[in-house]
Amino acid sequence: NAGVTQTPKFRILKIGQSMTLQCAQDMNHNYMYWYRQDPGMGLKLIYYSVGAGITDKGEVPNGYNVSRSTTEDFPLRLELAAPSQTSVYFCASSQGQAYAAFFGQGTRLTVV
Amino acid sequence: AQSVTQPDIHITVSEGASLELRCNYSYGATPYLFWYVQSPGQGLQLLLKYFSGDTLVQGIKGFEAEFKRSQSSFNLRKPSVHWSDAAEYFCISGYTDKLIFGTGTRLQVFP
Repeated sequence: NAGVTQTPKFRILKIGQSMTLQCAQDMNHNYMYWYRQDPGMGLKLIYYSVGAGITDKGEVPNGYNVSRSTTEDFPLRLELAAPSQTSVYFCASSQGQAYAAFFGQGTRLTVV
Repeated sequence: AQSVTQPDIHITVSEGASLELRCNYSYGATPYLFWYVQSPGQGLQLLLKYFSGDTLVQGIKGFEAEFKRSQSSFNLRKPSVHWSDAAEYFCISGYTDKLIFGTGTRLQVFP
C-alpha cells in the first residue's frame, strides 16, 4: 500500500544548485500533479500530467521542469535553486479530474 | 481563470460547537469540488467530494458540504466539532484537468 511516495523528505540546497524531487505512485493513475505549499497561500499547482509523455504548466511553473516518461514516475526538477523556491512540495495522483487525488507526504526544501 | 476562495483564514470554535467553513469557486461551468484536511505533520486527506446529483454531500468524520450553484459555493459543515478536528482545511476545484486549491482555513478548537 505505498500510494504516492516522495523522496527526499527534507533537503537543503545552496543557491544555484540543482536537484530532482522524486515522485512515484503505484496505483496506475494517469493524472499526476506537483504543488508547492507556502504559509497562508494554500497549495499552488506547479505542473501536472494527464498521462505518460504529456505534461502541462500549472499556476507557478517558473524555475521548474518536469518529465513523465512512465505512468508511475513524475519527477520535478529545479535547475538553479533560488531562495524563493524554499517551500514544501507535494506530489499527487488521481485516476482523473473527477476523482479524488492521493497526496504524498511532502518534501521540505530549503534554499540558502 | 479558475479560482477558489476561502474567505476565512482562521476560525476558532469551542469543542461541541457547530462549524461552517466557506468556499466559493469562480468558473462558468460546475467544477468538481473537494474538501481536504491537513493535520499537523500529516498529509492531505479527502473529506468529501461533489461531482453532480444530490447537492448535500456526506463525508468522513461527520462532515458534510452543500453545493449551491446560485452562490457558487461549497461550504463545509459539522454539527459538533471535536478537538481532533483542529487542522487546516482546503477546498479544491477540479476543472480542465487541474486541481486548484483555495488558500485554506485553519481551524482551532478550544476545550
